[in-house]
Amino acid sequence: KAGVTQTPRYLIKTRGQQVTLSCSPISGHRSVSWYQQTPGQGLQFLFEYFSETQRNKGNFPGRFSGRQFSNSRSEMNVSTLELGDSALYLCASRDVRSGNTIYFGEGSWLTVV
Amino acid sequence: GQQVMQIPQYQHVQEGEDFTTYCNSSTTLSNIQWYKQRPGGHPVFLIQLVKSGEVKKQKRLTFQFGEAKKNSSLHITATQTTDVGTYFCAGIGVGSEKLVFGKGTKLTVNP
Repeated sequence: KAGVTQTPRYLIKTRGQQVTLSCSPISGHRSVSWYQQTPGQGLQFLFEYFSETQRNKGNFPGRFSGRQFSNSRSEMNVSTLELGDSALYLCASRDVRSGNTIYFGEGSWLTVV
Repeated sequence: GQQVMQIPQYQHVQEGEDFTTYCNSSTTLSNIQWYKQRPGGHPVFLIQLVKSGEVKKQKRLTFQFGEAKKNSSLHITATQTTDVGTYFCAGIGVGSEKLVFGKGTKLTVNP
């Protein structure tokens, strides 16, 4: 089985721009979660989607949004980028039928300049 | 909200020494998971503990879940350079669906 695939792997954006990151979960996994990882704050939960519906949301401003498509693929969007949004954005998928273990993709490295 | 504290933040050991990282939750957990992230990589699932007082071993790694299901530890015996990385614990609170991560313990091993 292919793992969780995230695109793009690396990107550089300017303050004020917006960015869209994409995630393809492991085949058969219908839950997709997004995390932001920074050196100072560790892994912070952004949101989780299941069957195209947002199930849980972390404590991030409304500039961070996401969605999930009928094939379980997910996208997250960050609008009006700030320097502090520079981070590794990790997507993780889960098979809700077999437990809570999540499988991470390799992440998208976002640098805001 | 639920918080998961992990100590120490950093640990540097000589190869062959033991290593332990501790995880404490502000609320009772239904389960706890451990992940390892190699430098430049992404977190990889190691194990999940569910039962109070549970102990699981994976070769040189020993994982424990506290009796009160609020704390956990990971112990590595005789560290090797391949153990280098950041170890994260992550817990789900009772009645919650959110997996909350600790900030991780970064382990470096001197050969």
